[in-house]
Amino acid sequence: EAQVTQNPRYLITVTGKKLTVTCSQNMNHEYMSWYRQDPGLGLRQIYYSMNVEVTDKGDVPEGYKVSRKEKRNFPLILESPSPNQTSLYFCASSRRWLYNSPLHFGNGTRLTVT
Amino acid sequence: KQEVTQIPAALSVPEGENLVLNCSFTDSAIYNLQWFRQDPGKGLTSLLLIQSSQREQTSGRLNASLDKSSGRSTLYIAASQPGDSATYLCAVMDSSYKLIFGSGTRLLVRP
Repeated sequence: EAQVTQNPRYLITVTGKKLTVTCSQNMNHEYMSWYRQDPGLGLRQIYYSMNVEVTDKGDVPEGYKVSRKEKRNFPLILESPSPNQTSLYFCASSRRWLYNSPLHFGNGTRLTVT
Repeated sequence: KQEVTQIPAALSVPEGENLVLNCSFTDSAIYNLQWFRQDPGKGLTSLLLIQSSQREQTSGRLNASLDKSSGRSTLYIAASQPGDSATYLCAVMDSSYKLIFGSGTRLLVRP
């Protein structure tokens, strides 16, 4: 089944403890991106990647890192999480941004930083 | 800076009614516009994608239009059903390949 898989679905952590949220897609998609969704602020793009080894900042990249060493994986790294990073995070992918193909989303990761 | 606005924020209609959701954007330099559906606790599902050169797209009971010059898109849902209840979001891909989302319209279709 074609899908975008995020892990974990739920995560509670403490301030400053490094964490990684994984994202994997099995559709051979070139474009991948991360979003956070907050009440009243909607969905905001954190980082995106147009292909392997190519990443770029979205609207809210501060406090996050990403890497794209393989086509299928696009992990989101929080080196030193803070409470303002408590949010619902989504990973998404599409075949090729240039071909205007639709985005496929994962089911989300709800992160709480205390 | 691109801004995307969706009106109304919430909508409640009786089953069977035809309805229109609105999306507006401030910068017409876009690559595409997408409409998504989000169910509670779930990710987003892509409904329709309109390329910048297109005027509309249709899928089943859904029809989306795009007027770049006026910065507007509409999502038309025909013969609404309770299963259509969800939050509907539109998003534009701007000239920097960033995806900018609206805040969504929460739709309730009453049986």
